[in-house]
This record gives sequence, structure tokens and C-alpha cells, in this order.
Amino acid sequence: DIQMTQSPSSLSASVGDRVTITCQASQDISNFLNWYQQKPGKAPKLLIYDASTLKTGVPSRFSGSGSGTHFTFTINSLQSEDIATYYCQEYDNLPPLTFGGGTKVEIK
Amino acid sequence: QLQLQESGPGLVKPSETLSLTCTVSGDSINSSSFFWGWIRQSPGQGLDWIGSVRNNGNTYYSPSLRSRVTISVDTSKNQFSLKLTSVTAADTAVYYCARLAGGDLDCWGQGALVTVSS
Repeated sequence: DIQMTQSPSSLSASVGDRVTITCQASQDISNFLNWYQQKPGKAPKLLIYDASTLKTGVPSRFSGSGSGTHFTFTINSLQSEDIATYYCQEYDNLPPLTFGGGTKVEIK
Repeated sequence: QLQLQESGPGLVKPSETLSLTCTVSGDSINSSSFFWGWIRQSPGQGLDWIGSVRNNGNTYYSPSLRSRVTISVDTSKNQFSLKLTSVTAADTAVYYCARLAGGDLDCWGQGALVTVSS
């Protein structure tokens, strides 16, 4: 099975900062990678699919890039409402479907 | 607008069977374009995929839970269900149902907390 290593596990940044999260796959998964946002007490929400495609309605300050084994998720100009835990998830060869360990983003 | 809602007991005794149902509204579960799945999240932990089912009953399960999990679909009620046998405290979690479009979990229920305790 594919393993997804996400880093960092947590970060603290100021409003307006650029935030970057990485996800490393244990094998080539092409661009079969999604990013989710989970706010406290809520269900996760799909933000980016196919590694870099922004879901309709998601603010443009969110972006994703990468292919193969290395992927990046970026928040340009962090806002207070972006406080959440972010997860990557691969779907190269279902089943199974595998999530990264998550990155908790806090405001400094 | 697609909505999913989990329902079932919030407390299950150790060694018993956890049963949850997800009711889908705003779309037909009979669409062959999608799988319907269950994901859980232990307290303070990350997300773990449990398994998925299609309208024709085809299922895929997490290897780690395969021996204890059954996911089924009832197209007449627009519902799908999860059964997890022989539960222990380690199965205490928030259980989410979601629609799986290709590889995208594009719509989630609000989640149901299930506690395993005597």
C-alpha cells in the first residue's frame, strides 16, 4: 500500500503569511492527489483535486502543485478563517484510499 | 443539493457490532458514477478510510479492517450502511460517510461520534 508522509505536522504563521505544506508519496502516484481542509468539529472539505485543480468556490489563495511523489499545498496570504487541519489524500490505485497525517495550521 | 447524514447508536459495548447508516438526499445513490464510503477519525487523530460501496453492491475495504467490516447499499431507501464487528475502545471515533467521485471525497456527512464502552 502507498504511504503518504505529510509535513509539518503543525505550523504557526501570521495573517498574511504564505504557508506551505508538503506531502510525499511512497511511490509514484502521478497527479492522483487531493487536499482537504478540516475545521474543528467539522467534516473535511475538498479544496484541491488532481494535485492542482481548485474546486469551484474555493478561494484562489489556495493552490496545489506537484506530481509523482512530491506535492505541495500553499496558502498565499493566510487568513484567520484558514485555521484548520489540512490533509492530503492519494487515489492512485484504489483500494485503499490513503490520507496523510495532517497539518494543523494556527495563527501566530 | 447533495447532503449525507449519518445515523446510529452513539454508544456500543465492547465485542458488539457497530452499525451506522448514511442517508443520501439530493442525488440518487443508484448512480453508477460514484462510490459511497465510510471514513473514521479517532479522537485527536487523522483520517482513516474504512471502505466504499457502489450501487451494484461492489465493495472495497481497508485491509486493516476487512475481516470486521461490511458495507452495504439499499438503493430503495437511498442509504448505505456500515457494520463493524467485535469492536474495542480503539474503534471509538467520529464516523463520516461521503461520496467518492473517482478518487475525490467530494461531499461528506457531518459525522457521528461512536464511543465503545461498557
